[in-house]
Amino acid sequence: TQLLEQSPQFLSIQEGENLTVYCNSSSVFSSLQWYRQEPGEGPVLLVTVVTGGEVKKLKRLTFQFGDARKDSSLHITAAQPGDTGLYLCAGPSKAAGNKLTFGGGTRVLVKP
Amino acid sequence: NAGVMQNPRHLVRRRGQEARLRCSPMKGHSHVYWYRQLPEEGLKFMVYLQKENIIDESGMPKERFSAEFPKEGPSILRIQQVVRGDSAAYFCASSLGWDEQYFGPGTRLTVT
Repeated sequence: TQLLEQSPQFLSIQEGENLTVYCNSSSVFSSLQWYRQEPGEGPVLLVTVVTGGEVKKLKRLTFQFGDARKDSSLHITAAQPGDTGLYLCAGPSKAAGNKLTFGGGTRVLVKP
Repeated sequence: NAGVMQNPRHLVRRRGQEARLRCSPMKGHSHVYWYRQLPEEGLKFMVYLQKENIIDESGMPKERFSAEFPKEGPSILRIQQVVRGDSAAYFCASSLGWDEQYFGPGTRLTVT
């Protein structure tokens, strides 16, 4: 069974600070996806990383895929209150069907 | 450009009743996935369907739960004789093929 562990579970910071969220596994994933979920809504896809060592930037968000494709990180620079939400990493199963395995999530609160 | 649609958004059922959750995938998407999110937990895969076929139902409880994706119309997740433990948010996702999945807003089921 492929598992994804996220850390920390909860992060509370002041506006303008930086933060990093980690997503780790003992298994290799062909790709990893990052979603953000707001209360009462569904997860919204932020990015997909595919190649080991890949770095993708989305405005103030930087996503990195580990060289061995077992881990990923999300770094937010100069966080804003609008970045508040639940951040989820997910990876497709090796089995047929591409079902996603999700990490437990990191709840981020950015205080003004 | 409509995204994944789910209805109802909120559903209240008494113990023993049936719950029917509907999902219309994004236009052109023929792959549908159902996930469940229990309070304060991550998303867990339930079932993967293509038109008229169940491809993978390894995450779905063996009893009381069923899913379909008919040739015409939305995908339906059906829970018979609901119990309090079925209270959760149920999310549907769709994809074009074996690639990125896009999520709907979810149906929040409360069993009283």
